[in-house]
Amino acid sequence: AQKVTQAQTEISVVEKEDVTLDCVYETRDTTYYLFWYKQPPSGELVFLIRRNSFDEQNEISGRYSWNFQKSTSSFNFTITASQVVDSAVYFCALSEARSNDMRFGAGTRLTVKP
Amino acid sequence: KAGVTQTPRYLIKTRGQQVTLSCSPISGHRSVSWYQQTPGQGLQFLFEYFSETQRNKGNFPGRFSGRQFSNSRSEMNVSTLELGDSALYLCASSLWTAYTGELFFGEGSRLTVL
Repeated sequence: AQKVTQAQTEISVVEKEDVTLDCVYETRDTTYYLFWYKQPPSGELVFLIRRNSFDEQNEISGRYSWNFQKSTSSFNFTITASQVVDSAVYFCALSEARSNDMRFGAGTRLTVKP
Repeated sequence: KAGVTQTPRYLIKTRGQQVTLSCSPISGHRSVSWYQQTPGQGLQFLFEYFSETQRNKGNFPGRFSGRQFSNSRSEMNVSTLELGDSALYLCASSLWTAYTGELFFGEGSRLTVL
């Protein structure tokens, strides 16, 4: 069965620090998608990125970057020069072709202090 | 464009009662999926509907049910409520499938069972 592990329950940093959120996944499927979502205090999850299992290219979007490594089954998320507005719970998720549902990790609560 | 709308936002019920939650997806989106979020279990997939048909179901008892209407609006129902059903219920819509697509989430319906 698919599984997503976010070992970091809570992280606290000071503004302008860089921070990396770890995500390790397990799957027996060769076709799958990985996602990161952000959940601010208001509750709704906000999509950040999607990666399919055939695309290991890393991606950068502004202060956000993602490192996908199939060899270690990891899909880590780095925020550069963190800001207070980055404070939220971040979820990594995995969906497989065969199960057709999305499994979320437990989430990492990031607090950025001014 | 308007986002995903969930009603009611908050509700309190007592054990044994039933509850119906509503979700209006983004216009044009045909897939609606539901998730339960609790502090202990995290985000868990309930079910996905596409074109009025349940396409996939998570590991929840039969007390949890749902349906989708021809306008893609969806409802989920929980019968014979238990204390453990207290949770934030999140609805997400996507164009075609929850598996590969970017999910757009509503702010959720927070259910408290007393």
